[in-house]
Amino acid sequence: GESVGLHLPTLSVQEGDNSIINCAYSNSASDYFIWYKQESGKGPQFIIDIRSNMDKRQGQRVTVLLNKTVKHLSLQIAATQPGDSAVYFCAESFSGNTPLVFGKGTRLSVIA
Amino acid sequence: SQTIHQWPATLVQPVGSPLSLECTVEGTSNPNLYWYRQAAGRGLQLLFYSIGIDQISSEVPQNLSASRPQDRQFILSSKKLLLSDSGFYLCAWIRKANTGELFFGEGSRLTVL
Repeated sequence: GESVGLHLPTLSVQEGDNSIINCAYSNSASDYFIWYKQESGKGPQFIIDIRSNMDKRQGQRVTVLLNKTVKHLSLQIAATQPGDSAVYFCAESFSGNTPLVFGKGTRLSVIA
Repeated sequence: SQTIHQWPATLVQPVGSPLSLECTVEGTSNPNLYWYRQAAGRGLQLLFYSIGIDQISSEVPQNLSASRPQDRQFILSSKKLLLSDSGFYLCAWIRKANTGELFFGEGSRLTVL
């Protein structure tokens, strides 16, 4: 069936470096994508979202890139900090009328 | 302000015992509500969602059930727990209409022994 998946299950980066977390999706009808951050023992927290009519969106230290041609989504974190250590999930939906479908998650570990 | 509460935060139950996890949303009306389960080190699996009182949709067959007796209350239940029911249960609601963006509670960690 349709699904959202991730290329890398784990990622280790040095503090201060940039992080890139990737996600592949297969439902070409999806028009809304979200990145969530989940710290240990807590619920996922919204980081940034992007609609399918955009290919890039920037937030504070984070950038989401959407490539609809290859159905690829990425989250870039600039100057990664120890507090960024968490599991990151991408998720997709169609017109907000379908429940979010989540990828399996990537664990980001920041090395001080 | 809009908040979502889940309880209990942690629960240890024997196999075959019943379960009741509660979720309450404040600061909004007629929200779409969701129950997700997360097994250790895994992703989020949608279990149930509700668009209104007594309106429940089930996404996966299992020994769990959900009920929505009030507009802002969503309950996850089981009559007899299985070992495989262990996990982190998350309640969520759609915070931004027409996007599907979910706002999650802090979760309830269930361990079945």
